[in-house]
Amino acid sequence: ILNVEQSPQSLHVQEGDSTNFTCSFPSSNFYALHWYRWETAKSPEALFVMTLNGDEKKKGRISATLNTKEGYSYLYIKGSQPEDSATYLCAPDPGTYKYIFGTGTRLKVLA
Amino acid sequence: DTGVSQDPRHKITKRGQNVTFRCDPISEHNRLYWYRQTLGQGPEFLTYFQNEAQLEKSRLLSDRFSAERPKGSFSTLEIQRTEQGDSAMYLCASSPRTSGRADLGEQFFGPGTRLTVL
Repeated sequence: ILNVEQSPQSLHVQEGDSTNFTCSFPSSNFYALHWYRWETAKSPEALFVMTLNGDEKKKGRISATLNTKEGYSYLYIKGSQPEDSATYLCAPDPGTYKYIFGTGTRLKVLA
Repeated sequence: DTGVSQDPRHKITKRGQNVTFRCDPISEHNRLYWYRQTLGQGPEFLTYFQNEAQLEKSRLLSDRFSAERPKGSFSTLEIQRTEQGDSAMYLCASSPRTSGRADLGEQFFGPGTRLTVL
């Protein structure tokens, strides 16, 4: 059973600030890691899927890195905007298609 | 809209009643998943279909829960004799079957059905 931890659980930042979150997971049985953004009353939206140690992905102001040897991934948001307010979920996939989600990081960007 | 849809979006019921939720996946996706999210937790896997076959069920899915995907398209999740502990967000997701080794199984989620059991 995977134990997935995300930190912090929640945070508030000012518009324009940059921020980052952590997803920690057991490094054994790793196949892929997924990041999702979940805005209130909407569907969770896929941000990144990462597979290789050292992977870096970028989508606009959001980027992510992956370290499979030590079992962590970082998500960075540069110049946060109010529309970035959401819960950010990571989900390691051990190759079974049965995602094991972390508890998420709830981000609130204050205008 | 060609995304995953779920109906209803909200359901309030009294303890002991039965409820049924529906999920319509993306049309060309043959895999379908149900997850449940309770307050303060991340979504937890409940069950998985490939076409009409239910291939895996979580221990979380007690005998009061049943899921079907009769024609390999939409799916229903029924909860019988609801309990207050069943109050949660029920998420459905679908994914395509890709060929080759690079099958990353990326899942596309619906907006969820929020169940409140009084």
